[in-house]
Amino acid sequence: KQEVTQIPAALSVPEGENLVLNCSFTDSAIYNLQWFRQDPGKGLTSLLLIQSSQREQTSGRLNASLDKSSGRSTLYIAASQPGDSATYLCAAPAGNNRKLIWGLGTSLAVNP
Amino acid sequence: GAVVSQHPSWVICKSGTSVKIECRSLDFQATTMFWYRQFPKQSLMLMATSNEGSKATYEQGVEKDKFLINHASLTLSTLTVTSAHPEDSSFYICSALTPGQGNQPQHFGDGTRLSIL
Repeated sequence: KQEVTQIPAALSVPEGENLVLNCSFTDSAIYNLQWFRQDPGKGLTSLLLIQSSQREQTSGRLNASLDKSSGRSTLYIAASQPGDSATYLCAAPAGNNRKLIWGLGTSLAVNP
Repeated sequence: GAVVSQHPSWVICKSGTSVKIECRSLDFQATTMFWYRQFPKQSLMLMATSNEGSKATYEQGVEKDKFLINHASLTLSTLTVTSAHPEDSSFYICSALTPGQGNQPQHFGDGTRLSIL
């Protein structure tokens, strides 16, 4: 059974810091892993998708890595900005039906 | 590409009424759509998997007679919350799979915030 855990649950940093968000999963037989951003009261914005054959993906100041053997993924945010403040969710599919199992998210606050 | 539109974005209604939420894939055909629910400060939980032309598959604990799902076309799935009560107040989000291999991502709508008075 796939379980997804995210740490830390909350993070508050000053603007400009580089930071790492962690996601771990129990079933390494995944097709892919996705990172999302959710602003308060809003829907989801897909940030990065890492296929099972890949080790990392980059988009602008974001870099996500995937280590299937250890069941871990990290989201690296470089030079954080106040606009990065949001909840960051990772999700991994469970089984062949591709339904996503979600972590509880990391609530990020970047202070100006 | 791969845009999913969800409507309405916010609905407030009285207890006992039924509410319909639409999920549309605007620029692709989606044979499979998913419906999620998110309570405050909790993660998303899958409610059901909607397959075009067939009955939806519900997750354990989700009442199929209360949450009616219809996926009558390749671009539209609807979720109807029947006889809604305050405990059904939540954030409902749909997603759609683009055609292809099992490694395709899900694309999400903006969600519907449902408040039952």
